[in-house]
Amino acid sequence: AAGVIQSPRHLIKEKRETATLKCYPIPRHDTVYWYQQGPGQDPQFLISFYEKMQSDKGSIPDRFSAQQFSDYHSELNMSSLELGDSALYFCASSAGGSGRYYEQYFGPGTRLTVT
Amino acid sequence: DQQVKQNSPSLSVQEGRISILNCDYTNSMFDYFLWYKKYPAEGPTFLISISSIKDKNEDGRFTVFLNKSAKHLSLHIVPSQPGDSAVYFCAASANRDDKIIFGKGTRLHILP
Repeated sequence: AAGVIQSPRHLIKEKRETATLKCYPIPRHDTVYWYQQGPGQDPQFLISFYEKMQSDKGSIPDRFSAQQFSDYHSELNMSSLELGDSALYFCASSAGGSGRYYEQYFGPGTRLTVT
Repeated sequence: DQQVKQNSPSLSVQEGRISILNCDYTNSMFDYFLWYKKYPAEGPTFLISISSIKDKNEDGRFTVFLNKSAKHLSLHIVPSQPGDSAVYFCAASANRDDKIIFGKGTRLHILP
């Protein structure tokens, strides 16, 4: 079965550079979530989108922005990168819309290293 | 402040025996709980969930128990198999929020 696809899988950037992470949800899933997992930490919710609209916002820095496109894929844009942004970034998708109890299915993650 | 707590960072269980992973939570607004399993270099994989109106949910070898008064849930895996070796995350959601709050995970080792 098709799963959540994230690209790139690995990314190395320097401080103050920008990065764009992409997420392609499972077909027919309309909700996308972004999580950040720092070294030795639990995944922390950043932001979510349902039907191309932001549906919830967590601990996402102002330097980050995200959007969901008409084909339901999502992009997380990160500017003025800091060393502390080095983490594993997971995207998850679910079907059935915002605010419902639908299981979230995770992608393999993008490992971002900021040097 | 950690709202979902998994106090055992690791657990070793003999193959064929029962694995019990524990999770405590502090937010009384949580009403939906999930367990995810994570292998290295992969994203978390959904295992099983339970809503607060139930105290038990079973799916094959996996059973989740919820004790609302104690704000405690546990995942039982029986019998444990070598492929069960992974990190298990307990997670919770409140009031139909989108976001899932994760615990720090417990690394389960199944011993031959």
